[in-house]
Amino acid sequence: DAKTTQPTSMDCAEGRAANLPCNHSTISGNEYVYWYRQIHSQGPQYIIHGLKNNETNEMASLIITEDRKSSTLILPHATLRDTAVYYCIVRVGTNAGKSTFGDGTTLTVKP
Amino acid sequence: DVKVTQSSRYLVKRTGEKVFLECVQDMDHENMFWYRQDPGLGLRLIYFSYDVKMKEKGDIPEGYSVSREKKERFSLILESASTNQTSMYLCASSPPGYSNQPQHFGDGTRLSIL
Repeated sequence: DAKTTQPTSMDCAEGRAANLPCNHSTISGNEYVYWYRQIHSQGPQYIIHGLKNNETNEMASLIITEDRKSSTLILPHATLRDTAVYYCIVRVGTNAGKSTFGDGTTLTVKP
Repeated sequence: DVKVTQSSRYLVKRTGEKVFLECVQDMDHENMFWYRQDPGLGLRLIYFSYDVKMKEKGDIPEGYSVSREKKERFSLILESASTNQTSMYLCASSPPGYSNQPQHFGDGTRLSIL
């Protein structure tokens, strides 16, 4: 699985959009990008995933660059409850679905 | 919604005890996983199973074993608990890997070995 690089921490004002970047410059053509978040003392929560097209669901939007070497998770209107560690993961389905989680980005939403 | 349920949120055991951590999922997923999470080390895969009675070692299987007798249940066993197995244990499930569908996690068991 490709390695990902994320900033260690970010702040965001409540009500504003939170844009979380992820670099995955060694991504292969059949690898998907997944985003999870983990709120303190809970298990990771799935947010969104994509291959090469931009994706949107009720939680967030995922923007993947055309060369697929980086992506951005967008929380359109951050709330205090979005404060969490956000993980960007790249993996290929044939790897039995295993995920390798790095250190992630600690997002702090401030009032 | 997918529900992955771990039997205990907090557990305290003594060194040398045999410890069982249970995980149940309600989405008929083929794959199930056990991870441990430690500060500064991220999530590390202990074992996974892609079918009933099937298991594969992950990155850190030493000191652990698993059991999957039914599709919905995946048990992690610490044969003789040691203090270095104090950790947060996370169970996850997913459809087959080729589906590219995400894993879904339980809320974890925080295990302390005294």
